[in-house]
Amino acid sequence: NAGVTQTPKFQVLKTGQSMTLQCAQDMNHEYMSWYRQDPGMGLRLIHYSVGAGITDQGEVPNGYNVSRSTTEDFPLRLLSAAPSQTSVYFCASSYGGENQPQHFGDGTRLSIL
Amino acid sequence: KQEVTQIPAALSVPEGENLVLNCSFTDSAIYNLQWFRQDPGKGLTSLLLIQSSQREQTSGRLNASLDKSSGRSTLYIAASQPGDSATYLCAAKAAGNKLTFGGGTRVLVKP
Repeated sequence: NAGVTQTPKFQVLKTGQSMTLQCAQDMNHEYMSWYRQDPGMGLRLIHYSVGAGITDQGEVPNGYNVSRSTTEDFPLRLLSAAPSQTSVYFCASSYGGENQPQHFGDGTRLSIL
Repeated sequence: KQEVTQIPAALSVPEGENLVLNCSFTDSAIYNLQWFRQDPGKGLTSLLLIQSSQREQTSGRLNASLDKSSGRSTLYIAASQPGDSATYLCAAKAAGNKLTFGGGTRVLVKP
């Protein structure tokens, strides 16, 4: 049981480049979310999904796109990377319902030069 | 807008001492309050989840309480060990699977 798998673990980009952060879970969880973690800011919700084909914006969605074509995968796309997007990105998943614990991946450490 | 605060930001205690970690939130309309542990360079591990209708939850040496009316949750770790050294985060959950996190408390347990 792999849980929540994020790839890559590390990435360095130049300003203006685009890339996709991958997130996959093998627990058949309905809910999936993307967070970014910055020093002094804590974790902030970027986008989330309550099921395949359904996505919604979180607290800091600008500059990011998501899609949920399957239950297992929830990729996060940076359209045109900016230095302000340098952060650690975490993907999380859980079963549906309001009282299910969230399971987190190990994160992707992204630097934008 | 929900705001979650954890004070202090860092805490150092000798081994064997009980740990008390505080979490406060501004909007009491929550579904639950979750406590996580984060080790350096790692993701978050769920420790305890307290539903809005509950007052406390226990797991081994960990006990978490919830007082919605005052907007507070407390995580107690009994008889701390060096292996308990980590950052502890609390998060309040609203509808739609939205978690609002506190900034975390970094704990160091000295042998």
